[in-house]
Amino acid sequence: QQQVKQSPQSLIVQKGGISIINCAYENTAFDYFPWYQQFPGKGPALLIAIRPDVSEKKEGRFTISFNKSAKQFSLHIMDSQPGDSATYFCAASMRTGGSYIPTFGRGTSLIVHP
Amino acid sequence: DVKVTQSSRYLVKRTGEKVFLECVQDMDHENMFWYRQDPGLGLRLIYFSYDVKMKEKGDIPEGYSVSREKKERFSLILESASTNQTSMYLCASSLSRVNYGYTFGSGTRLTVV
Repeated sequence: QQQVKQSPQSLIVQKGGISIINCAYENTAFDYFPWYQQFPGKGPALLIAIRPDVSEKKEGRFTISFNKSAKQFSLHIMDSQPGDSATYFCAASMRTGGSYIPTFGRGTSLIVHP
Repeated sequence: DVKVTQSSRYLVKRTGEKVFLECVQDMDHENMFWYRQDPGLGLRLIYFSYDVKMKEKGDIPEGYSVSREKKERFSLILESASTNQTSMYLCASSLSRVNYGYTFGSGTRLTVV
């Protein structure tokens, strides 16, 4: 059972446009929602994260919008640039035993055309 | 910055070989993880460890084992490699007492022929 559903699987955006990636989760015990960015040949890197007590978090051109009642969160990339072309993973985590273990979405491949 | 170092970027092994993938982190993180990444399937957790000599199965542990003899080192072992274990393997680490996300290594692309 997929606990975190991510869409779309792939996304093509023109330079300067807005990229939007959506995720939905099922388990209300999740309490931390990070996004990871992965460039080809590299491991994922933490990009931005949000906790459920806020509805939005912005860092530069990247914004997470969080809707607790709908159990959905999304990543918005404003003024998308070719350098943003990467695979993006959403995740949701909660404390499991002594650790925080995230459940990942399946990823979105973003291509930004110049 | 935390560094998670995976010993090999690319490996080619034969079916039936015993394969060791090594991961070292340098920031005293309690937790370490092994994932495999396959197109369309995202990141799937194989095993994790929250302390030295401790290990827990993830979602897809079959065909794998792990070893954590020192806090900074976490090894993934393929006892008898098979072609369906051809994949990108990612190691990650994190602090256990706070929920601040993972630091990943750059990955090892393993091909089993």
